[in-house]
Amino acid sequence: EAGVAQSPRYKIIEKRQSVAFWCNPISGHATLYWYQQILGQGPKLLIQFQNNGVVDDSQLPKDRFSAERLKGVDSTLKIQPAKLEDSAVYLCASRLTAGTGGKEQYFGPGTRLTVT
Amino acid sequence: AQKVTQAQTEISVVEKEDVTLDCVYETRDTTYYLFWYKQPPSGELVFLIRRNSFDEQNEISGRYSWNFQKSTSSFNFTITASQVVDSAVYFCALSEASTGNQFYFGTGTSLTVIP
Repeated sequence: EAGVAQSPRYKIIEKRQSVAFWCNPISGHATLYWYQQILGQGPKLLIQFQNNGVVDDSQLPKDRFSAERLKGVDSTLKIQPAKLEDSAVYLCASRLTAGTGGKEQYFGPGTRLTVT
Repeated sequence: AQKVTQAQTEISVVEKEDVTLDCVYETRDTTYYLFWYKQPPSGELVFLIRRNSFDEQNEISGRYSWNFQKSTSSFNFTITASQVVDSAVYFCALSEASTGNQFYFGTGTSLTVIP
């Protein structure tokens, strides 16, 4: 079974530029998550999708971050414009269903973003 | 308030030693789930174990074992006979039914196994 795919793996941009990340979850997983992991910290949830609907985006900085999952499968996360403090690893995870609690999330390899 | 606390920032052990990683959680839910993930240098978080709040039975799986104690809100993880390949950052996570099963991660414990 293929795991969670993410691209690109690395991205370097200048502040005020835009960037987009792509994620393809495990086939059949209805729930998709985007996390931000700053160096030395645990992952922090940015947004959670159930199929193509947003379940929780309370921690997403909506003035500069946006995310979509139009067809309920793959998803994109965009930052516009980027700030220095956005330098982090952006992790995508998927889970079979959000309805039944406790099922583990499976993570992709992440995209390491450096903003200069 | 931090829902998951991993007080140990870094641990170093010599190969073949046993090591225990501590995790303390905070929740008011009666239904919740606890997880351990491993993050090797490659960066991908790897799922290790899940426990629900109704299952306090501790388990051993190969060199890994877990000690879940609701009375002290702890979910500790032990590696016996550590190996160099165990070197990674280990994260404890909590999922609560009341918050839509959102994951709350601790800050991680960096384990270095010295050959």
